[in-house]
Amino acid sequence: GDSVTQMEGPVTLSEEAFLTINCTYTATGYPSLFWYVQYPGEGLQLLLKATKADDKGSNKGFEATYRKETTSFHLEKGSVQVSDSAVYFCALSDRAGGFKTIFGAGTRLFVKA
Amino acid sequence: DAGVIQSPRHEVTEMGQEVTLRCKPISGHDYLFWYRQTMMRGLELLIYFNNNVPIDDSGMPEDRFSAKMPNASFSTLKIQPSEPRDSAVYFCASRLGRQTAGELFFGEGSRLTVL
Repeated sequence: GDSVTQMEGPVTLSEEAFLTINCTYTATGYPSLFWYVQYPGEGLQLLLKATKADDKGSNKGFEATYRKETTSFHLEKGSVQVSDSAVYFCALSDRAGGFKTIFGAGTRLFVKA
Repeated sequence: DAGVIQSPRHEVTEMGQEVTLRCKPISGHDYLFWYRQTMMRGLELLIYFNNNVPIDDSGMPEDRFSAKMPNASFSTLKIQPSEPRDSAVYFCASRLGRQTAGELFFGEGSRLTVL
């Protein structure tokens, strides 16, 4: 079945550091890929998405590129802020999987001032 | 729109008691998902509905768990009897349309503690 694997956290960075959170996936079909973010005490919200190979999703300075050849969708940001501290989830949705959305385990990010 | 609304936000109960969690999806959304979040297992899909019909309940951990969607604006997740290992945050999410690129809209979650 479909699955998502992302790097374990927590990740601790200083403000203005470069962020990478790795994500790889397994899917039987041709999935859409997502990054969701969860701030403390809240539900998840969509950060960005990509629907086909080589697409780049971007939002709020975050970017991720759909790499079909490596089955990856790594999240990057050039300069993190304290307000980026949250849990980040990589996810996929696949027609072959019945259109349900499957999430990775989540990676907690702490950004220090 | 008010977004996905879940209740209660917090529930503390004793082992063996029945727990009912409630969800109101965004109006017009035809997919509804129930997820469970724990530190050990992350975010697990329990069950999802399309047009009020359960499509896949393979993630429901055991017979103590049941979910219903009697109409397009309401769903429940019931645990009977509850056990301490059911302690988690339960999220409801809704989506518009049968599309892989569709965004899920999450409620704020129901934090369940079973003593």
